[in-house]
Amino acid sequence: SQQGEEDPQALSIQEGENATMNCSYKTSINNLQWYRQNSGRGLVHLILIRSNEREKHSGRLRVTLDTSKKSSSLLITASRAADTASYFCATDAGNAGGTSYGKLTFGQGTILTVHP
Amino acid sequence: DTGVSQDPRHKITKRGQNVTFRCDPISEHNRLYWYRQTLGQGPEFLTYFQNEAQLEKSRLLSDRFSAERPKGSFSTLEIQRTEQGDSAMYLCASSPPAGAYEQYFGPGTRLTVT
Repeated sequence: SQQGEEDPQALSIQEGENATMNCSYKTSINNLQWYRQNSGRGLVHLILIRSNEREKHSGRLRVTLDTSKKSSSLLITASRAADTASYFCATDAGNAGGTSYGKLTFGQGTILTVHP
Repeated sequence: DTGVSQDPRHKITKRGQNVTFRCDPISEHNRLYWYRQTLGQGPEFLTYFQNEAQLEKSRLLSDRFSAERPKGSFSTLEIQRTEQGDSAMYLCASSPPAGAYEQYFGPGTRLTVT
């Protein structure tokens, strides 16, 4: 079953604009990850945020995590046409002791289209 | 290329036939995962190996599905008596030893059952 729910399902913007995607999940997590998928490169890991972190940056990416609301957001700044892809959040709930072993539960994804 | 590789990339089979897919993880990665992805959905976890041990298997996997990872290197996923509902992209991913949780995905094997 899908734990994450991404919002919006589809997003269309112009090059240079910022893109924000949201993810909600249901159970407690060890960490949350964002992946990008396009036909050319398959699924690629973008960024990981642990349950005790609230914000993380990587280049043009900014991820926030609110464990009280069980939600995360991914911000892509100054978007480029090459950012066109599907973006998935994936949660790692860990085992009963909370330790991660990497089993990921993916959401349905947000389809991002960046127009040149 | 030192990424995760999968073979074949595409497989068309008739209902009732058996199929086997192979995944070669990144060499130093001891953890290996199989996922299944259908159109418009995110990947769904199928099974997980740490070295040669299969530590978890999803309830999504019926008895027709079996996976192995002999010697903790490459892995195979076999589907017996395929059904049309098995049509999907089968993705393999690998991950380094504990402490790093990001997964590196292969290009996938697209299975079409006619």
